Amino acid sequence: SQQGEEDPQALSIQEGENATMNCSYKTSINNLQWYRQNSGRGLVHLILIRSNEREKHSGRLRVTLDTSKKSSSLLITASRAADTASYFCATDASGSARQLTFGSGTQLTVLP
Amino acid sequence: EPEVTQTPSHQVTQMGQEVILRCVPISNHLYFYWYRQILGQKVEFLVSFYNNEISEKSEIFDDQFSVERPDGSNFTLKIRSTKLEDSAMYFCASRDTRLAQETQYFGPGTRLLVL
Repeated sequence: SQQGEEDPQALSIQEGENATMNCSYKTSINNLQWYRQNSGRGLVHLILIRSNEREKHSGRLRVTLDTSKKSSSLLITASRAADTASYFCATDASGSARQLTFGSGTQLTVLP
Repeated sequence: EPEVTQTPSHQVTQMGQEVILRCVPISNHLYFYWYRQILGQKVEFLVSFYNNEISEKSEIFDDQFSVERPDGSNFTLKIRSTKLEDSAMYFCASRDTRLAQETQYFGPGTRLLVL
């Protein structure tokens, strides 16, 4: 798989349920960031987790990072219809400019 | 809350024409980026800009592309002679260079359609 690959590609859940998305990457990273994109719109930054961190919380979001497995997960608890969007992980790895490498994304649909 | 802005939101152009996409990064940020997202595909890095020069660029960023910071606030991406395959959403991003400030903030994007 390529740097920053999410699974599943698509996820459909009922409102109130939890949604878990996973991301795998190949190289060493400085940090990993999660973004949300509503259909055809811009990228909204959700949360950043550094390579020396294992878990981070922000509101209904929980991110974990396992650098030994080169993987991360994003958990959205008590999902709402407004959470319907594409979710991307992006790794900040090589390059002096700290440019991001994005995965293919998970399309989350939360049904009311 | 400060945000990255981009203009125009949509641009339609004929193949071979020049386009300039504009971005206003967050005011105290010093690192700027352009990314693009072809419909249905991943977001791809194009170029980064720091201290008035390109710091890194991808293979996509060929001689048809250029970036400029013409004044203290704007950051532009120019495509000299557009091709059909340049049709994409173009995102500008900026980052604070202060210690431990690693988040990249993205603008809403410019959707470019080349006919």
